[in-house]
Amino acid sequence: ELKVEQNPLFLSMQEGKNYTIYCNYSTTSDRLYWYRQDPGKSLESLFVLLSNGAVKQEGRLMASLDTKARLSTLHITAAVHDLSATYFCAVDEGTYKYIFGTGTRLKVLA
Amino acid sequence: GAVVSQHPSWVICKSGTSVKIECRSLDFQATTMFWYRQFPKQSLMLMATSNEGSKATYEQGVEKDKFLINHASLTLSTLTVTSAHPEDSSFYICSASPVYSNQPQHFGDGTRLSIL
Repeated sequence: ELKVEQNPLFLSMQEGKNYTIYCNYSTTSDRLYWYRQDPGKSLESLFVLLSNGAVKQEGRLMASLDTKARLSTLHITAAVHDLSATYFCAVDEGTYKYIFGTGTRLKVLA
Repeated sequence: GAVVSQHPSWVICKSGTSVKIECRSLDFQATTMFWYRQFPKQSLMLMATSNEGSKATYEQGVEKDKFLINHASLTLSTLTVTSAHPEDSSFYICSASPVYSNQPQHFGDGTRLSIL
């Protein structure tokens, strides 16, 4: 059974600081997705990572995938208040079924 | 781009009522759609896989007689919560991707269900 874990579960950080969110998964997969969720809203797609070594960047966020280590990271550079949200990684177990990570609630303090 | 629409976005009803939630793919066809449930401050949990023209596949622990899924066309899947109780109150989200494609899943806006 595929398990997906994120660390940390909750993150409070000052504006301007950098931080990394980690996503570990338990079985082989080379399809991993990052989403953002604002309170009361559905999911907003951030990154699609489809191969080992994939790296994608958008604004202050950068995501990477290491399929051998079964690890993906979401790096935040110079955080701003607007990045406050919950971030989820999701792993495709091979049948387009997504198993979601536990989520990381990010709060950026002004 | 691909759009998935859910209806209603919010429903409040009394205990014992059955509630139907629709998930539509607006500009593509989907042989498979997925239903997720999210309790407050928790992650999304996959409930079932909706298969066009055949029975849905339910995840372990999900009662198929309580959560009825129908996928009668390539653009519509419905989830009916039968005899809903307060513990069924949750945020329900569907997803779909175009058939014969490797596109990632597109998620609906979700339905917030509150059972009084």
